[in-house]
Amino acid sequence: GAVVSQHPSRVICKSGTSVKIECRSLDFQATTMFWYRQFPKQSLMLMATSNEGSKATYEQGVEKDKFLINHASLTLSTLTVTSAHPEDSSFYICSARGLAGVYNEQFFGPGTRLTVL
Amino acid sequence: AQKITQTQPGMFVQEKEAVTLDCTYDTSDPSYGLFWYKQPSSGEMIFLIYQGSYDQQNATEGRYSLNFQKARKSANLVISASQLGDSAMYFCAMREGGGSARQLTFGSGTQLTVLP
Repeated sequence: GAVVSQHPSRVICKSGTSVKIECRSLDFQATTMFWYRQFPKQSLMLMATSNEGSKATYEQGVEKDKFLINHASLTLSTLTVTSAHPEDSSFYICSARGLAGVYNEQFFGPGTRLTVL
Repeated sequence: AQKITQTQPGMFVQEKEAVTLDCTYDTSDPSYGLFWYKQPSSGEMIFLIYQGSYDQQNATEGRYSLNFQKARKSANLVISASQLGDSAMYFCAMREGGGSARQLTFGSGTQLTVLP
């Protein structure tokens, strides 16, 4: 399957700082990228959907000013958690979808574990 | 209402035995796709199997098969000949309708533990 990378894999930061997470599709062009967050022992919750060159569409309850998403190219999307607080500590997973694959399936990155102290 | 329901928070199976993980879904869209993903403790989401709503036959991928019962709106995952490495969290997911921007909706997951 297609490869999606995320960087960093793990980040620890102080409360009040901003953290940027990168998501890259390595061998295909991702027309759509999705950002999820996952709390321990829970399911993946969609935060936002972004199409290349367009503003992201956020799910209800997700603060767009706090979780800034940029999808400037067909291979890169970034999620910036601004002024992070301990309650933002979570596992963030990106997913990319292009026109590749029989099912137009979503390919997931390995995730980024954010810990806010 | 929940779109994807997984009623088994945890399941145990003996190594080399088969196990069925339950998934029911709710949609009024005639076109949809059903997915199963495996998430080991490392966190990565591993795609296992896909079933389209118009597919006539149940999907199979190696030791994984999907028991698709459209009238009951169920899409159970069957893992045959369980291995210790199958221990992980398993998520059922659905994508409704067509279009490349449609997102996946996930169930709450089932933690499978394979016993030696």
